[in-house]
Amino acid sequence: EVQVVESGGELVQPGGSLRLSCKASGFSFSNHYMDWFRQAPGRGLEWVARILMKTDNYDRQHAAAVNGRFTISRDDSKNELYLQMTSLKIEDTAVYFCVRDGMAGGDLDYWGKGTLVTVSS
Amino acid sequence: ENVMTQSPLSLSVTPGEPASISCRSSQSVLYSDGRNYLNWYLQRPGQSPQLLIYLGSTRASGVPDRFSGSGSGTDFTLKISRVEAVDVGVYYCMQALHLPRTFGQGTKVELK
Repeated sequence: EVQVVESGGELVQPGGSLRLSCKASGFSFSNHYMDWFRQAPGRGLEWVARILMKTDNYDRQHAAAVNGRFTISRDDSKNELYLQMTSLKIEDTAVYFCVRDGMAGGDLDYWGKGTLVTVSS
Repeated sequence: ENVMTQSPLSLSVTPGEPASISCRSSQSVLYSDGRNYLNWYLQRPGQSPQLLIYLGSTRASGVPDRFSGSGSGTDFTLKISRVEAVDVGVYYCMQALHLPRTFGQGTKVELK
């Protein structure tokens, strides 16, 4: 069974840092692109970052709102995806979702339950 | 960025009746491979989004055939042939061609 499980979300002060993790299981993690999305309380969905595979030199891209502050990475040996978050702002408060790309044509098919990041003083 | 616009933003449907949601993108999501990179998701209350449709009209694994997607280029439609109680939630379209990935505002579907 395909599973992606996020962890690491917590309450952090503005300007602080946090690292989110996502543990994948039930599929060949190294053969899939992976994304992070987020959803602020009561709001819609927002794409955060994407990382490709080893064969793509782990190319990665980030949304403009987080570029320079957040960094997506992966460890294929551990089947884990990460999101390093620095200089956190109040507007980064959201549930963060780890998402698998099914590789059949933009099919972002498996979403974790999410981990809540709250940025507040 | 490719702006996605959904309509209506809310829908109240009698169980067993059909429902339809429209999604329009500001830029075409039809790629040179002939495929439309447009997904539909359902987010039930308190849950993470579930993929319903990808490539504009392909049902994801396990999705009932009462859900269908159609359209090409910039105009797309999600149809539910007979709404059931489990279909309640917020429906989002998302374009998967360009980065940043972008979503419509969401359409809240509830039962009458």
